[in-house]
Amino acid sequence: DTAVSQTPKYLVTQMGNDKSIKCEQNLGHDTMYWYKQDSKKFLKIMFSYNNKELIINETVPNRFSPKSPDKAHLNLHINSLELGDSAVYFCASSQDRLADIYNEQFFGPGTRLTVL
Amino acid sequence: AQTVTQSQPEMSVQEAETVTLSCTYDTSESNYYLFWYKQPPSRQMILVIRQEAYKQQNATENRFSVNFQKAAKSFSLKISDSQLGDTAMYFCAFLRDKIIFGKGTRLHILP
Repeated sequence: DTAVSQTPKYLVTQMGNDKSIKCEQNLGHDTMYWYKQDSKKFLKIMFSYNNKELIINETVPNRFSPKSPDKAHLNLHINSLELGDSAVYFCASSQDRLADIYNEQFFGPGTRLTVL
Repeated sequence: AQTVTQSQPEMSVQEAETVTLSCTYDTSESNYYLFWYKQPPSRQMILVIRQEAYKQQNATENRFSVNFQKAAKSFSLKISDSQLGDTAMYFCAFLRDKIIFGKGTRLHILP
């Protein structure tokens, strides 16, 4: 059984389009995250939700909007896609948001987004 | 602001050898946590080992161990008896209120 799943795994789209990436976790965790990994493999947090509440919102363009319908899902919607949005996007989840050594983050398989 | 630096972009070692990946970080906090993550070609991020800053004892997980030097803000990963399956990107990470990753070290294990 997949703990953290993302769909789609690959997404190729034209500049200017709007697209969504879905994430679901079946671990019963309270906190979910979105990360962006650029072409140089640099991994950086974008957002974090705890029980559907936004708790981390890094400096990302307003075109990126996370949506959490329930604590098991955290979707990422991107408007007006730009070339620079091309990256691998990782979803992750953890039991809670406390900075705890045992609050391990479980990562999804990633979604490779290519903007043409 | 906390930063994490991995000074070795890429390394190659022969199978069965021991390799050490370096990581330094900068923080004014005294309580925090450090991790090493592995990202193989499959892209999946996998937790390798974790260390609590208040523990002086270095963490060990089978062939993986760390050398944690709190005063020097250094957190290196040692892989003993390296195997072909250890080929991956390795990320050092710092956790206080949120997790911050280093830029990664690409490790090649050569047959």
